[in-house]
Amino acid sequence: AQSVTQLGSHVSVSEGALVLLRCNYSSSVPPYLFWYVQYPNQGLQLLLKYTSAATLVKGINGFEAEFKKSETSFHLTKPSAHMSDAAEYFCAVSFSGKLIFGQGTTLQVKP
Amino acid sequence: EAQVTQNPRYLITVTGKKLTVTCSQNMNHEYMSWYRQDPGLGLRQIYYSMNVEVTDKGDVPEGYKVSRKEKRNFPLILESPSPNQTSLYFCASSFRGRLSTDTQYFGPGTRLTVL
Repeated sequence: AQSVTQLGSHVSVSEGALVLLRCNYSSSVPPYLFWYVQYPNQGLQLLLKYTSAATLVKGINGFEAEFKKSETSFHLTKPSAHMSDAAEYFCAVSFSGKLIFGQGTTLQVKP
Repeated sequence: EAQVTQNPRYLITVTGKKLTVTCSQNMNHEYMSWYRQDPGLGLRQIYYSMNVEVTDKGDVPEGYKVSRKEKRNFPLILESPSPNQTSLYFCASSFRGRLSTDTQYFGPGTRLTVL
């Protein structure tokens, strides 16, 4: 069965600091993994996705994620946080077209 | 502009009063889906549709109905809403549902409160 676990429901960083949002997956088949961002009062927007081409995936707004099969992880990073990055972030695994989401991580960016 | 639209964006209703939330996409996508978002639970799939006249249950289908008579529209129907259906609802679509690599595009959400 496919599942996703996001470690930490809330993460707080200072502006300019490294952002690290953790995601671990469980999948019985090679996984396809996604990170979505949800800004306040908006729908979900795709940040990046892993489709088995390259293990380091670059997305929008300076975010990237690395697929590590040995660790069953797909952590999201950004070298320097901006105030505009404050949002909720969801990791998801895709199976037969269905997205299975993690619980979400709220990122707070302090000035 | 390519988009998924939902209406209404906000709805307050009472227990038992039938309601419909509409969803429409203009990208000619085959696959459409409804999710509900609840704090601490992420998003959970309610129903999905692989194409016109083809629908199936997701993980939390109880209390909901859907139909797919046209490719662009996928309404969510609550025949007799109850307070436990108070939630934030999202419609999503993708080009080819069976391909797990396809990106799903989400609507802006509908916040439903059932009193």
